[in-house]
Amino acid sequence: GQNIDQPTEMTATEGAIVQINCTYQTSGFNGLFWYQQHAGEAPTFLSYNVLDGLEEKGRFSSFLSRSKGYSYLLLKELQMKDSASYLCAFYNQGGKLIFGQGTELSVKP
Amino acid sequence: GAGVSQSPSNKVTEKGKDVELRCDPISGHTALYWYRQSLGQGLEFLIYFQGNSAPDKSGLPSDRFSAERTGGSVSTLTIQRTQQEDSAVYLCASSLSGRWETQYFGPGTRLLVL
Repeated sequence: GQNIDQPTEMTATEGAIVQINCTYQTSGFNGLFWYQQHAGEAPTFLSYNVLDGLEEKGRFSSFLSRSKGYSYLLLKELQMKDSASYLCAFYNQGGKLIFGQGTELSVKP
Repeated sequence: GAGVSQSPSNKVTEKGKDVELRCDPISGHTALYWYRQSLGQGLEFLIYFQGNSAPDKSGLPSDRFSAERTGGSVSTLTIQRTQQEDSAVYLCASSLSGRWETQYFGPGTRLLVL
């Protein structure tokens, strides 16, 4: 089968670092995505990993380990505007983008 | 256009009525997707278009749901005889030339069936 799992919610402090984990199971894998979704808005693309390792993009980094079926999104120097839902998703063998339920991140002052 | 647009942004309807939701993909994007997002749930795939054809309709929940795409651009998702369980946010996304690519989402249509 195929499934994807991420924590439901997390809380962090402004200026801190937070890591949001995502584990997945699939018979075929063709890349892992992270999206950010503010309440009432569209998901916006953050990162894409298809090979193992860390991809850094400003304050956001994403890591992938295909052998472990594991990814994380790392957010540094947290700002209040980073409060949002973070969605992990992978393309399965059939070309369908499978989403996790999202991690609701609350950034506190 | 600059991004994916959807209309209407909000729709309230009565149970049993038909609704049409519209999606305008990013100009030049040939692949288009519809998803449904219910409260507290992840995004649920509905249908995928490549050009005007739909090679994957596997996510449509019932025969009350249908979608079409004309001119390789605008798509319409139609829900007939709406039920209360159809209440959700319907999101459209597009990608440049097909599957395996980054999908860019529209703002969604919030549907409430009373």
